[in-house]
Amino acid sequence: GENVEQHPSTLSVQEGDSAVIKCTYSDSASNYFPWYKQELGKRPQLIIDIRSNVGEKKDQRIAVTLNKTAKHFSLHITETQPEDSAVYFCAASKGGGGNKLTFGTGTQLKVEL
Amino acid sequence: DAGVTQSPTHLIKTRGQHVTLRCSPISGHKSVSWYQQVLGQGPQFIFQYYEKEERGRGNFPDRFSARQFPNYSSELNVNALLLGDSALYLCASSLVPDASGNTIYFGEGSWLTVV
Repeated sequence: GENVEQHPSTLSVQEGDSAVIKCTYSDSASNYFPWYKQELGKRPQLIIDIRSNVGEKKDQRIAVTLNKTAKHFSLHITETQPEDSAVYFCAASKGGGGNKLTFGTGTQLKVEL
Repeated sequence: DAGVTQSPTHLIKTRGQHVTLRCSPISGHKSVSWYQQVLGQGPQFIFQYYEKEERGRGNFPDRFSARQFPNYSSELNVNALLLGDSALYLCASSLVPDASGNTIYFGEGSWLTVV
């Protein structure tokens, strides 16, 4: 089955700096890659997603890049703010795989003042 | 607008007991999935239902079962609870059953503690 690895497990940045989280996946058939933000005690919230026919997608301060050849995708957050502090999960799913998302192990992002 | 709603939000059960968790998807969504999230880990897929039929099952024992009702709401049942079943159980809904074609939204979850 699909295996998603996520790095780093913790990331500490200064407010205003950029943060990058990287994920790799194993199943070349995967074609949908969402990113979720989860605050303590809350549900995962979708922040951005990318499908395999696109190499990059941007939404304000957040961007995701996808390299299908290398089977990795990354989340980029620019101009980080304290409210960006949370756990971020990447996930992967393949067409015909239903709604089965395989999640990474999460990255605890801390934005320090 | 109403998102994915789950009940109960928190519950405590004793080992060996049974639990039923409930989920109502976003209005118009026909696909419901269940995930288990153990503290400090990412969510793990348990089941998916679409149009009342099981469309996928994760690597969980037969103690876990689910069903979907005609109004697309769903129940997750866990029998013979073990301490290791303590987790946040998340319900997710989507318009269609394939993740690659649409967005998946999560509910706030049900926190289950087994003592």
